Amino acid sequence: DAMVIQNPRYQVTQFGKPVTLSCSQTLNHNVMYWYQQKSSQAPKLLFHYYDKDFNNEADTPDNFQSRRPNTSFCFLDIRSPGLGDAAMYLCATRDTGTGGLIQYFGPGTRLLVL
Amino acid sequence: QKEVEQNSGPLSVPEGAIASLNCTYSDRGSQSFFWYRQYSGKSPELIMFIYSNGDKEDGRFTAQLNKASQYVSLLIRDSQPSDSATYLCAVIEALKTSYDKVIFGPGTSLSVIP
Repeated sequence: DAMVIQNPRYQVTQFGKPVTLSCSQTLNHNVMYWYQQKSSQAPKLLFHYYDKDFNNEADTPDNFQSRRPNTSFCFLDIRSPGLGDAAMYLCATRDTGTGGLIQYFGPGTRLLVL
Repeated sequence: QKEVEQNSGPLSVPEGAIASLNCTYSDRGSQSFFWYRQYSGKSPELIMFIYSNGDKEDGRFTAQLNKASQYVSLLIRDSQPSDSATYLCAVIEALKTSYDKVIFGPGTSLSVIP
């Protein structure tokens, strides 16, 4: 019954080795978000898709890219992970069609960079 | 810069007591307010949302909003050890366009002592 699914749940990568995190949703929500959360900090919005429209936060490093091939899937690509990119990455969705303001979070992917 | 502030804690309360969590925000245009609970290593889950001044109750939880003072709080009655978690306050500014941004506070760590 999972509504927002993230894979993998844990990802270990090497310094500089590209990595892709996946998010899928069964809710048919039109907005999808990617957040980065480091220990004891608030989730930090990286970017979001409003339907196919991509919105990048001004302070999101160029090292982070995203793709949304269809409504259900969204990917986060980290082109050259650094040690500072180790964090929990959270995907969330929202349905503006119903006027909803609530974001539904996936379980997160914990990224470790060696 | 729009900010959401919370006491980082940790806040410790005995089992059965009332836990009071506070949040202030800087943007007077903010319209929607959310409380998320986040267990260690897990993703945030929505506890309460409130849009209008006053109190909103849901079971053991009460959210209180005072827009004039730019203050929102969460009360947890009859606190249980299972309530021990970090509580994130989140704010959305007025929806002027299709784009909206959720701003999270840093979270307050709550520990309920048996």
